[in-house]
Amino acid sequence: GAVVSQHPSWVICKSGTSVKIECRSLDFQATTMFWYRQFPKQSLMLMATSNEGSKATYEQGVEKDKFLINHASLTLSTLTVTSAHPEDSSFYICSARRAGDVSEQYFGPGTRLTVT
Amino acid sequence: GQNIDQPTEMTATEGAIVQINCTYQTSGFNGLFWYQQHAGEAPTFLSYNVLDGLEEKGRFSSFLSRSKGYSYLLLKELQMKDSASYLCAPMDSNYQLIWGAGTKLIIKP
Repeated sequence: GAVVSQHPSWVICKSGTSVKIECRSLDFQATTMFWYRQFPKQSLMLMATSNEGSKATYEQGVEKDKFLINHASLTLSTLTVTSAHPEDSSFYICSARRAGDVSEQYFGPGTRLTVT
Repeated sequence: GQNIDQPTEMTATEGAIVQINCTYQTSGFNGLFWYQQHAGEAPTFLSYNVLDGLEEKGRFSSFLSRSKGYSYLLLKELQMKDSASYLCAPMDSNYQLIWGAGTKLIIKP
């Protein structure tokens, strides 16, 4: 068990448009989900932590009005990149923490976003 | 501050053994994870150490010394598919993973 999916796996959008990425825990309940961004040859950068039913906690330097996170259920979190710009092009990865387990995070396969 | 130190890149030969070292400094400590990440893919879990000592899992083993802030990942009987980046990620007092840039491991025939 402990499978996390992301949709879409890749997306190309035009500058100024918005893109929504979904993260789902398929076989467990995830009280906490994490959103990461990774640029080529760089480390994962935590963008925000979302807990089901409450507002996400954003890391310093991450614009909450630009990266909208919704964690409406125990199996789904969404990240919406609003008014996307080419510099937002990156690999976005979500992970989920099982309810009652404060240790391991289960990663989704990632979403490659390209903004033209 | 919080810091991870791993070699940027290592090269090894197919069939050999390689040890990837990691030193870390975190605010509090709740265990250390090792992940494997192939290019263009998300990380996949390899191991978790919370107590000192060696954890063995097939061809992969991970060691932790909390007093030294040190861990290593040992890969035996290397295969070409082991070519990937290996990420050492300690967990701090807030149960947040701290990420470095990882070690890119290149396996040669």
